[in-house]
Amino acid sequence: EIVLTQSPGTLSLSAGERATLSCRASQSISSSYLAWYQQRPGQAPRLLIYGAFNTATGIPDRFSGSGSGTDFTLSISRLEPEDFAEYYCLLFSSSHTWTFGQGTKVDIK
Amino acid sequence: QLQLQESGPGLVKPSETLSLTCTVSGGSISSSRYYWGWIRQPPGKGLEWVGDIYYTGSTYFNPSLKSRVSISVDISKNQFSLEVTSVTAADTAVYYCARLDYYGVRTFDYWGRGTLVTVAS
Repeated sequence: EIVLTQSPGTLSLSAGERATLSCRASQSISSSYLAWYQQRPGQAPRLLIYGAFNTATGIPDRFSGSGSGTDFTLSISRLEPEDFAEYYCLLFSSSHTWTFGQGTKVDIK
Repeated sequence: QLQLQESGPGLVKPSETLSLTCTVSGGSISSSRYYWGWIRQPPGKGLEWVGDIYYTGSTYFNPSLKSRVSISVDISKNQFSLEVTSVTAADTAVYYCARLDYYGVRTFDYWGRGTLVTVAS
């Protein structure tokens, strides 16, 4: 079973700053099945990035994904007020199971 | 625009069965491109995949829940449903239904708003 570890648990930043979120897999994975989601309080998760670096429809270009192997990153180039939220990575494994990371909260410094 | 809507009881007694339905509108549940899934989130905690189903009825479950979970599909109603048996307080969560674009973006791309199910006597 592959485990996804997100870091940091909480990221305290100011609007306009750059955010860098990490998702590390316990073994090498295919980037084709690594996605990132944003979840605002009281809302359903929203797909941001799929295939590790492809931006989903309607997502602003300040969001970007990168990485390969075991280390993946979600970057937000300049934080807007609506970006302060929880972020999750999600992996599909060959046994047809889905694993979420435990989440990173981006809050206002 | 695709929409998913969860429905079902908000309160279930311990040891009983939790039953939820997801109604899909704006698209066909029998499209060969998609699976349909359930994800849950206990209050204040992270997301957990529960399982998903293909329109043919093929199902996949989280190994930690497999013995208590079933998912079914009703193509005529454009719905799919979740059952969790022998529930405990640990099953209290917001339950989301979602579309899995298996052959496209290869992840869950559309989600319902979620429904809170509380397990309590």
